[in-house]
Amino acid sequence: GAVVSQHPSWVICKSGTSVKIECRSLDFQATTMFWYRQFPKQSLMLMATSNEGSKATYEQGVEKDKFLINHASLTLSTLTVTSAHPEDSSFYICSAPRVGGTDTQYFGPGTRLTVL
Amino acid sequence: AQKVTQAQTEISVVEKEDVTLDCVYETRDTTYYLFWYKQPPSGELVFLIRRNSFDEQNEISGRYSWNFQKSTSSFNFTITASQVVDSAVYFCALTDTGFQKLVFGTGTRLLVSP
Repeated sequence: GAVVSQHPSWVICKSGTSVKIECRSLDFQATTMFWYRQFPKQSLMLMATSNEGSKATYEQGVEKDKFLINHASLTLSTLTVTSAHPEDSSFYICSAPRVGGTDTQYFGPGTRLTVL
Repeated sequence: AQKVTQAQTEISVVEKEDVTLDCVYETRDTTYYLFWYKQPPSGELVFLIRRNSFDEQNEISGRYSWNFQKSTSSFNFTITASQVVDSAVYFCALTDTGFQKLVFGTGTRLLVSP
């Protein structure tokens, strides 16, 4: 079946550094991907919609200059957390909808970011 | 605006008990999709079911069953004869099409003890 991968699965970084997270659709193309953030014991909140070949669409309250999204190909979207701070520590999950067949969304395994 | 409410924050049961997780949704769309996902401690979301707004038939898959009632805007999930491996956080979610962003409920943590 369809699979969405994320890399890395976890990352620890120092405050002020930037971290890039990759989201790949492994056996289907995705013109759209979604990035969610989940704080401990909370629900998933949509951060942005990643659009292949165009700018990402950010949800209200999400800083686009801090969370840079690039969707350079039909199978890859990246989220870069710039100048990370401890409050950015969270679980980041991407998803990609597969059109046709089961017409459903597939989620990546998530990336746990810890900023010291 | 769309909204999903999971009023049960945490449920604890003993193995083999049946348990129902409630989900109430709000939407102005006539066409929409509802989902249930399981999130074990590993964090990865596991897809359980997708139901569109035009299909009100209840569904059963092994020990899992779902009751969709448009009249009450509810999409409840029942686990029959629960097992320890069912322990996880369960999320109900809503979207206006199958391909767009999901609105998640706050989740229900299910603890099944031996």
